[in-house]
Amino acid sequence: QSALTQPPSVSGSPGQSVTISCTGTSSDVGSYNRVSWYQQPPGTAPKVMIYEVRNRPSGVPDRFSASKSGNTASLTISGLQAEDEADYYCSSYTSSNTYVFGTGTKVTVL
Amino acid sequence: EVQLVESGGGSVKPGGSLRLSCAASGFTFRNAWMSWVRQTPGKGLEWVGRIKRKIDGETTDYAAPVKGRFTISRDDSKNTLYLHMSSLKTEDTAVYYCTIDSNYAHLDWGQGTLVIVSS
Repeated sequence: QSALTQPPSVSGSPGQSVTISCTGTSSDVGSYNRVSWYQQPPGTAPKVMIYEVRNRPSGVPDRFSASKSGNTASLTISGLQAEDEADYYCSSYTSSNTYVFGTGTKVTVL
Repeated sequence: EVQLVESGGGSVKPGGSLRLSCAASGFTFRNAWMSWVRQTPGKGLEWVGRIKRKIDGETTDYAAPVKGRFTISRDDSKNTLYLHMSSLKTEDTAVYYCTIDSNYAHLDWGQGTLVIVSS
C-alpha cells in the first residue's frame, strides 16, 4: 500500500486560506468516506482535526474544513493563524481493512 | 480525561525482540478498537496495525512491512494494549504511538515511545 500523496509544503500569510491536497486511489480515498486529517506541531503527538472526510471533533475550530472528490481529499485552513503552523497528514481506511497515511505537508505561516 | 501512556521502548539489535505496552485510562478500554502507528524520526506517519474489541472478535490487521513479525494483543482486565515485535530490522526504528480508533480515524494518541534498532 503506497502512501497517499500530499504536497511537501504550503504557506500563507495570517488571515489567508491554504488548501492541502491528498491523492490516493480507488482502493483507499476513492472507496469510502473514511478520510481523516491530523495536525502535528513540532515535538508533539498528532491530533485529529477531521474524520470521515468532513467532520470536526469537538474543540477543532471551524476554520478547518475538508472535502473529497474522487480519489483526492482536501483540507482547507481559512483565516490562517500562527498557531496553525505544523505538519499535516491525511489518512484513509482501505479496501484491505488497513489504514494508509499521506506523505505529510508542512504548513508555514509567513 | 483520556490517557494513553506507551512504554517499553529502547535500543535493540537487528533480529531482536521487544514488547511495547500502552496503558489506557479515562474511557472504556474494552469497547475500543486500538491501533499502533509509528513515525521514523523526522519522517512521516506509518500505520502498523489494529486490534478490534472482544465483541468484534479481537480481529487484528497489520501493515505489509510488519506482517508476520509484529503481533498486537490486549488485556482488557488491565486496560493495556501490547505490541510484540520480533525479527526487528533497522527500518523499524521509530517512535511508536498507540491510538484509539473510532469512525475510521485515530481519535486519541499517546505521547509515543522510541524504539531504536541498531547494531
